[in-house]
Amino acid sequence: EVVLTQAPATLSLSPGERATFFCRASQSVGPSLTWYQQKLGQAPSLLIYDASKRAPGIPVRFSGSGSGTDFTLTISSLQPEDFAVYYCQQRDNFGQGTRLDI
Amino acid sequence: QAQLVESGGGVVQPGGSLRLSCAASGFTFSDYSMHWVRQGPGKRLEWVAVIWSFGSRTDYSDSVKGRFTISRDNSRSTVYLQMNRLGVEDTALYYCARHSGSYSNWYLQLWGRGTLVSV
Repeated sequence: EVVLTQAPATLSLSPGERATFFCRASQSVGPSLTWYQQKLGQAPSLLIYDASKRAPGIPVRFSGSGSGTDFTLTISSLQPEDFAVYYCQQRDNFGQGTRLDI
Repeated sequence: QAQLVESGGGVVQPGGSLRLSCAASGFTFSDYSMHWVRQGPGKRLEWVAVIWSFGSRTDYSDSVKGRFTISRDNSRSTVYLQMNRLGVEDTALYYCARHSGSYSNWYLQLWGRGTLVSV
């Protein structure tokens, strides 16, 4: 079983700043890593799949990178609507999430 | 527009049963594998079960195997989750989600809003 570990647990930033989220897999998963955003009281929504491919309708300020065991999600310039919890996922495994606070 | 709507959640005593439903619309339901994912209070997302579009094969997480059964009715565009022998650890918001990707590399592109189960 693949264990996904996300860091940091919480990220406190201001609008306009750059946000970087990390996800580490306990074994290599190739490029098979997905990122979701979950706003308070809402279902998760797909952001990035296959480590770096933006889902339809996702703004270009969201980007993903990585392969193997180490992955990164970057938001280049935070907008007010970006403050949420971010999860990484690989098949039936989810990370514990990173909360992005304003 | 594609959407998923869950129903059937509620309050149940430990040891009891519930059946959740997820009605799909706006896409060809029979073409897609469907998943259930849950989220306990203040907890991470937890994958529960999948029913594959091909041959209706099913897979379950170890935490629910033998107690939960996922099924689908393509004529009704609905996926179900029969939950038996419920315990307090099953208290969660249950989401259904539509599969994307391959069997070995998949992700969840469309999610419902969830239905709450309290044990």
